[in-house]
Amino acid sequence: DAEITQSPRHKITETGRQVTLACHQTWNHNNMFWYRQDLGHGLRLIHYSYGVQDTNKGEVSDGYSVSRSNTEDLPLTLESAASSQTSVYFCASTEDKLTGELFFGEGSRLTVL
Amino acid sequence: AQSVTQPDIHITVSEGASLELRCNYSYGATPYLFWYVQSPGQGLQLLLKYFSGDTLVQGIKGFEAEFKRSQSSFNLRKPSVHWSDAAEYFCAVASGSQGNLIFGKGTKLSVKP
Repeated sequence: DAEITQSPRHKITETGRQVTLACHQTWNHNNMFWYRQDLGHGLRLIHYSYGVQDTNKGEVSDGYSVSRSNTEDLPLTLESAASSQTSVYFCASTEDKLTGELFFGEGSRLTVL
Repeated sequence: AQSVTQPDIHITVSEGASLELRCNYSYGATPYLFWYVQSPGQGLQLLLKYFSGDTLVQGIKGFEAEFKRSQSSFNLRKPSVHWSDAAEYFCAVASGSQGNLIFGKGTKLSVKP
């Protein structure tokens, strides 16, 4: 069955370190998204991509970057981790960016000390 | 700008009782509306969606939602709640400009035995 997987599921890092969260989907969806989930804020969009070599900033993109070198993967990089980036991160993909169902990974819990 | 409001942060209902979770949206045109459910430690799963046509939509797990344009609402209902329905529920509207979903902050549902 097609799926979307995130790794690592849990990570603890220190302030200032670079961190990369991986997202891999096997649906062959062009559209992929990264969200962060924080208590009291729901899900907020960080970055998204509509296809290979396409990346776009979302609502809370400062301090994050993504790259899209193939259809299956959209890694999220924190260039210099900050305590404010402690959160649960969700990757999602969809076939139709406007009307399609978003398929979510199980999340990556990141703690920045 | 599009937005979604879920007025209730936390709701507790007894098992077997009926449920209604409220969702109000702000959107200029006909919205694409969604309800997602998130079980603890999991990603989000689509319950149902509304694009056009019949304003009462049926979803998985016995849920339904009714689109009311005059009230800018898309409330989620279930006639009889089961203990396994305890989760967090998110209403979302598709953003026409960014091609992604704008989520409400969620309503946590607790079910009493």
